[in-house]
Amino acid sequence: KAGVTQTPRYLIKTRGQQVTLSCSPISGHRSVSWYQQTPGQGLQFLFEYFSETQRNKGNFPGRFSGRQFSNSRSEMNVSTLELGDSALYLCASSLDRGRITPLHFGNGTRLTVT
Amino acid sequence: GENVEQHPSTLSVQEGDSAVIKCTYSDSASNYFPWYKQELGKGPQLIIDIRSNVGEKKDQRIAVTLNKTAKHFSLHITETQPEDSAVYFCAALPSRNSGNTPLVFGKGTRLSVIA
Repeated sequence: KAGVTQTPRYLIKTRGQQVTLSCSPISGHRSVSWYQQTPGQGLQFLFEYFSETQRNKGNFPGRFSGRQFSNSRSEMNVSTLELGDSALYLCASSLDRGRITPLHFGNGTRLTVT
Repeated sequence: GENVEQHPSTLSVQEGDSAVIKCTYSDSASNYFPWYKQELGKGPQLIIDIRSNVGEKKDQRIAVTLNKTAKHFSLHITETQPEDSAVYFCAALPSRNSGNTPLVFGKGTRLSVIA
């Protein structure tokens, strides 16, 4: 079974631009979560989607948004990029939205903002 | 909300020795504790998890122990090998009433196994 696939692997953007990251969950997984990973802050939760609806949201500004499609694939968008948005963005999928369901991560998209 | 503290931040061991990583959590209602291993250039991979109704779980050279009273859990790796070198993250799943974060992660431990 294929794992979680994230595209692109690397992105370089300029301050003020916007960016869209894509995530394809494991086949059959319906919940998709996004995390931001930085050396100083570790893994910070961005949001969770299930059945095309945002179910949970972390403490990030409105510049960070996402969506989920009917096939469970998800995208996240960051508008008006800032230098501090440089990070590894990780997508994780789980089978369902049950409270105890293992998360499986992709290899991430490395975003660099210059 | 839930807070997870992880220690140590870096750990070096000789090949063949054991490694122990410890985490504490604040939400006594947390009921699920996974451990992830992240190798260079890859995303975190689930290596073992434990639920709050179990005190210990083993999978070959890896074991996790949970002390609900003290609110801490630990990862034990025996007979370490160079391929165990990676960053390890603990996490806790908080109860519904303590915030809207599905999983809260520790800051990670960089384990180096010296051959």
